[in-house]
Amino acid sequence: EIVMTQSPATLSVSPGERATLSCRASQSVSSNLAWYQQKPGQAPRLLIYGASTRATGIPARFSGSGSGTEFTLTISSLQSEDFAVYYCQQYNNWLSGFGPGTKVDIK
Amino acid sequence: QVQLVESGGGLVKPGGSLRLSCAASGFTFSDYYMSWIRQAPGKGLEWVSYISSSGSTIYYADSVKGRFTISRDNAKNSLYLQMNSLRAEDTAVYYCARSPHGMDVWGQGTTVTVSS
Repeated sequence: EIVMTQSPATLSVSPGERATLSCRASQSVSSNLAWYQQKPGQAPRLLIYGASTRATGIPARFSGSGSGTEFTLTISSLQSEDFAVYYCQQYNNWLSGFGPGTKVDIK
Repeated sequence: QVQLVESGGGLVKPGGSLRLSCAASGFTFSDYYMSWIRQAPGKGLEWVSYISSSGSTIYYADSVKGRFTISRDNAKNSLYLQMNSLRAEDTAVYYCARSPHGMDVWGQGTTVTVSS
């Protein structure tokens, strides 16, 4: 089983600042890594797939990087609508899935 | 537009059964792998099950293996999750999602509550 971990658990950021979220896999998932944003009461939204490809309609301030076991989601300049929980998910092996999430809140 | 709509959730006693449905529209359902994902109250996302476009390949999380069955009817553009021997820990919002690379389209979710 591939175990996904995320850090930090909570990230406090001021609007306009840069946010860097980390995701680690217990074994290589190649570039089969996605990032999601979830706001309270809503379904998750796909932000990034293939570790670095933005999904349709996702603003350019969201970027993903990494491969193998170490991945990063960067939000270059946080907007008010970006305060949410972010999950990573590996889909290299469908027998496991999501990290525990990083909550990005207002500093 | 591309849409997934779940239904079938509700309150069920421990040991009971429910069948969830997910109706797809706005895309060629038979071209896509599909997944069920759940989220317990106040918790993170948990992948539950996955089915290939033809239905020939299926995976389950260990937590539901032997109790849940995923299926699809491509003629009806529908995905299903048969849930048997339900436990309190199965209480969650259940989402279906289109799964070409990660999960790019999600439904709004249906709530399953297992309680006596």
